[in-house]
Amino acid sequence: GNSVTQMEGPVTLSEEAFLTINCTYTATGYPSLFWYVQYPGEGLQLLLKATKADDKGSNKGFEATYRKETTSFHLEKGSVQVSDSAVYFCALSRYNQGGKLIFGQGTELSVKP
Amino acid sequence: DAGITQSPRYKITETGRQVTLMCHQTWSHSYMFWYRQDLGHGLRLIYYSAAADITDKGEVPDGYVVSRSKTENFPLTLESATRSQTSVYFCASSGLAGTDTQYFGPGTRLTVL
Repeated sequence: GNSVTQMEGPVTLSEEAFLTINCTYTATGYPSLFWYVQYPGEGLQLLLKATKADDKGSNKGFEATYRKETTSFHLEKGSVQVSDSAVYFCALSRYNQGGKLIFGQGTELSVKP
Repeated sequence: DAGITQSPRYKITETGRQVTLMCHQTWSHSYMFWYRQDLGHGLRLIYYSAAADITDKGEVPDGYVVSRSKTENFPLTLESATRSQTSVYFCASSGLAGTDTQYFGPGTRLTVL
């Protein structure tokens, strides 16, 4: 079946450090891939997405590239800020499965000043 | 207000009681989803709906009932609440299946005593 695996947290970084959160997936066919972010006490909001192989999604300094050969969609940011502290979820969906999202378990990021 | 809303935001109930969580969206999105969020599990799909009067089970549907008589509303009912249903519940909607962004509500924190 379809599944998503993320690196475990929590991840603690100093401000301006480089961030990588690993995400790999298992799926048949060509899923769409997403990163969602959840700030404390809030719902999830889309951070970025990619719908086909080699696409790069980007937003607010975050980037992720859809790598079909390694079934990965790692999230990166060159210089994190305290305001990036949140829980990050990798997810996939497939059109012929109703578009429902399958999430990884989430990675908590804490950025210290 | 435009967007997706959930009510109540917090609910405490007792084992065996019926509870209904409400979800309302103003975009006329076709697809609506209910997820639950638990530590260590990320978000898991309970039920989803592709249109009014069309619903289908997700990963963890047992103990839940949904209906969708109007496009904008998608209530989730716990017929006889159990402690294992203590969780944070998120409703989401999207216009298309697969590649489209899902927009999440703020969540309902449910505690079953």
